[in-house]
Amino acid sequence: GAGVSQTPSNKVTEKGKYVELRCDPISGHTALYWYRQSLGQGPEFLIYFQGTGAADDSGLPNDRFFAVRPEGSVSTLKIQRTERGDSAVYLCASSQIMGNTEAFFGQGTRLTVV
Amino acid sequence: ILNVEQSPQSLHVQEGDSTNFTCSFPSSNFYALHWYRWETAKSPEALFVMTLNGDEKKKGRISATLNTKEGYSYLYIKGSQPEDSATYLCAFSTGNQFYFGTGTSLTVIP
Repeated sequence: GAGVSQTPSNKVTEKGKYVELRCDPISGHTALYWYRQSLGQGPEFLIYFQGTGAADDSGLPNDRFFAVRPEGSVSTLKIQRTERGDSAVYLCASSQIMGNTEAFFGQGTRLTVV
Repeated sequence: ILNVEQSPQSLHVQEGDSTNFTCSFPSSNFYALHWYRWETAKSPEALFVMTLNGDEKKKGRISATLNTKEGYSYLYIKGSQPEDSATYLCAFSTGNQFYFGTGTSLTVIP
């Protein structure tokens, strides 16, 4: 596609429910990143994929969070037993080669846990 | 955890004023410094990628400088316009990961 696509754009869920957030990166981009931005804060790193494998998942806050990228393209961020503190904008970005090439961001998924 | 700091946190300027803000980052493990502009309800958009100490980049009225030895980058906007209102994010790259600052929120008052 023309850019990074994230779905849904908005998600409201009840505390304790399971949610999946999808990221469709730019075709051919091998690197894919998930970030979370809570109100009043900068983007917080969650996980980075190089191809199909998670090269760095040190930013995942706890074991309720999990992400996959089974075919090296689309990625799904999964959150189990959601809590109100999980409410944030979840941003996905992709890039061709890490480092000195820019990352392209999706428009984010705004998750609200009520 | 690498600390990337941006200052000021927010800024209000009059239309036509020039302004600048700062991104501070670790001077070790440096690979690249990125600047992004993030307008409300849109995705962050890349402005500059800088890799070399002393780099200066310019795009229209916006320019940026880089000092990797002391770990800072400045973003300058000349003759601010209302459409410049956005959050400006910097991101420090180690070569395999980005670390973002918290951003500077700029409001240009017509």
